[in-house]
Amino acid sequence: GDSVTQMEGPVTLSEEAFLTINCTYTATGYPSLFWYVQYPGEGLQLLLKATKADDKGSNKGFEATYRKETTSFHLEKGSVQVSDSAVYFCALKDSGGSNYKLTFGKGTLLTVNP
Amino acid sequence: DTAVSQTPKYLVTQMGNDKSIKCEQNLGHDTMYWYKQDSKKFLKIMFSYNNKELIINETVPNRFSPKSPDKAHLNLHINSLELGDSAVYFCASSSQTGGGNQPQHFGDGTRLSIL
Repeated sequence: GDSVTQMEGPVTLSEEAFLTINCTYTATGYPSLFWYVQYPGEGLQLLLKATKADDKGSNKGFEATYRKETTSFHLEKGSVQVSDSAVYFCALKDSGGSNYKLTFGKGTLLTVNP
Repeated sequence: DTAVSQTPKYLVTQMGNDKSIKCEQNLGHDTMYWYKQDSKKFLKIMFSYNNKELIINETVPNRFSPKSPDKAHLNLHINSLELGDSAVYFCASSSQTGGGNQPQHFGDGTRLSIL
């Protein structure tokens, strides 16, 4: 079945540091890939997405590139801010009959200190 | 103008009780979902409805019964609540047009605590 593996947290960085959160996946079809962010006490918000190989999703300074050869979708940001502190989830939505659900990774807690 | 709204935000109740969580979306989406987030933040799909028809039921105990009166609503009723039901429950919606690659939009969650 489908699965998503992302690096375990927590990750603690200083403001303006470079961020990478690794995410790899297994899927039976041709999945779309997503990063969602959950700020404390809130629901999930879509951060970025990519729907096919070599697509790059970007938003709010975050980027992730859909790498089919390595089945990866790593999240990066060049300079994090305190306001980026949140839990980040990598997710996939497979094609075909199973495209009615998102399969999530376990989430990575990011804390950015001033 | 909330896109996906669920009520209540917090629900504290005794073991054995029956409770319901309501969800409504005003995005015109045709598909709605319920997810459960456990204490370790792990998110897992419970149910998915497309045009009021049940599409996914992921080995959820039959104490959990979703009801979709129309495409804009998906309510979750839970019978005989157990301690292990304590979690945050998220409602979400999406459009299946365009091959189903559209993102899901989430509500703010309902934190259920069983005493």
